[in-house]
Amino acid sequence: DVKVTQSSRYLVKRTGEKVFLECVQDMDHENMFWYRQDPGLGLRLIYFSYDVKMKEKGDIPEGYSVSREKKERFSLILESASTNQTSMYLCASSLLTSGRDNEQFFGPGTRLTVL
Amino acid sequence: AQSVTQLDSHVSVSEGTPVLLRCNYSSSYSPSLFWYVQHPNKGLQLLLKYTSAATLVKGINGFEAEFKKSETSFHLTKPSAHMSDAAEYFCVVSGGGGYQKVTFGTGTKLQVIP
Repeated sequence: DVKVTQSSRYLVKRTGEKVFLECVQDMDHENMFWYRQDPGLGLRLIYFSYDVKMKEKGDIPEGYSVSREKKERFSLILESASTNQTSMYLCASSLLTSGRDNEQFFGPGTRLTVL
Repeated sequence: AQSVTQLDSHVSVSEGTPVLLRCNYSSSYSPSLFWYVQHPNKGLQLLLKYTSAATLVKGINGFEAEFKKSETSFHLTKPSAHMSDAAEYFCVVSGGGGYQKVTFGTGTKLQVIP
């Protein structure tokens, strides 16, 4: 089974702090994704990566950056956390970029609270 | 461009009665469609997927969905609800192109009443 793990389940930070969220997948997937999930808004894509050191902006990249130095690891960085970044953050990975069978596998999520 | 609309934000059913969660999509390409389930404080798990084979797709835990191109719908059904089905369900569309952009619906919370 594919396993996607996230470094923290719950995180509390203060406004202005730099925050790192880590995600690791163990199935040699090419693609990795960061989403945030807010009530009534579903999942919104922040960034994705289709290869090591490659990244693409998603729908809501403002205030975030990412790093992918190794294939299995994809980090989300909040350079200066703000209260409107309080949310559930979900990491996912998938094997394929093109083709039809591009199922995504999700981690358990990190609930971030910014005070 | 693509989009997905989940027509109900909340659905409440009695245990043992049928479940219907509605999803409509739009896509410029022949889409792939997915349903995911999220139990409280858990990540998303794939229930089923449509990728242009059979239009009636069977998934895990007795769920199924039918792809209807003429209606641009992909509704999720289950004949008999179980208490363990209480969760949030997301309909997802994935289009064509070099990178298949994935768009999530806003979710439907299913409540199962004993």
